[in-house]
Amino acid sequence: DTAVSQTPKYLVTQMGNDKSIKCEQNLGHDTMYWYKQDSKKFLKIMFSYNNKELIINETVPNRFSPKSPDKAHLNLHINSLELGDSAVYFCASSQGTQALYGYTFGSGTRLTVV
Amino acid sequence: LAKTTQPISMDSYEGQEVNITCSHNNIATNDYITWYQQFPSQGPRFIIQGYKTKVTNEVASLFIPADRKSSTLSLPRVSLSDTAVYYCLVGGDSGSARQLTFGSGTQLTVLP
Repeated sequence: DTAVSQTPKYLVTQMGNDKSIKCEQNLGHDTMYWYKQDSKKFLKIMFSYNNKELIINETVPNRFSPKSPDKAHLNLHINSLELGDSAVYFCASSQGTQALYGYTFGSGTRLTVV
Repeated sequence: LAKTTQPISMDSYEGQEVNITCSHNNIATNDYITWYQQFPSQGPRFIIQGYKTKVTNEVASLFIPADRKSSTLSLPRVSLSDTAVYYCLVGGDSGSARQLTFGSGTQLTVLP
């Protein structure tokens, strides 16, 4: 059983399109995250939800909108895609908001905007 | 800010011990130090975590000096499959975005 699963794994789309990435975790964790990893492997937090409530919203264009229908799911919708949005997006989860508990990551969604 | 600094890359040979050091001069009292490993096309994976002194598990050891301003991840007798990016993360309550940013990590390449 995959602990944190993301779909799709690859996404190739044209500029201006709208796309969504889905994430689900079966670990019973109450906190979920979206990360963006650029070509230099820099891994930066975008959003964090705790018990469906948004607790971190980093400096991300408002074209990016996360949605958490329940504790086990965190989706990311991106409007009007731009070339600079090309990256690998990772979903992660943890029990609680303490770094002490560690984070479990999904395998990533490689988004390519052409 | 508890910013971390790691070498960008390291090379080693199979069978050697590898030590990767992370500097975190502004670590806070309640911060823990956690190391993650990332293989290509996968998400980062938790390796080891510590607060002070030494921690050892089946995969690695983590050495933290008394001042906690740095930490060293030690991988004993590496193999080709240990080639990966290693991230050092310092944080306590992940309600803070700065503590959730991993940086660019250290690319470890193990050569035959």
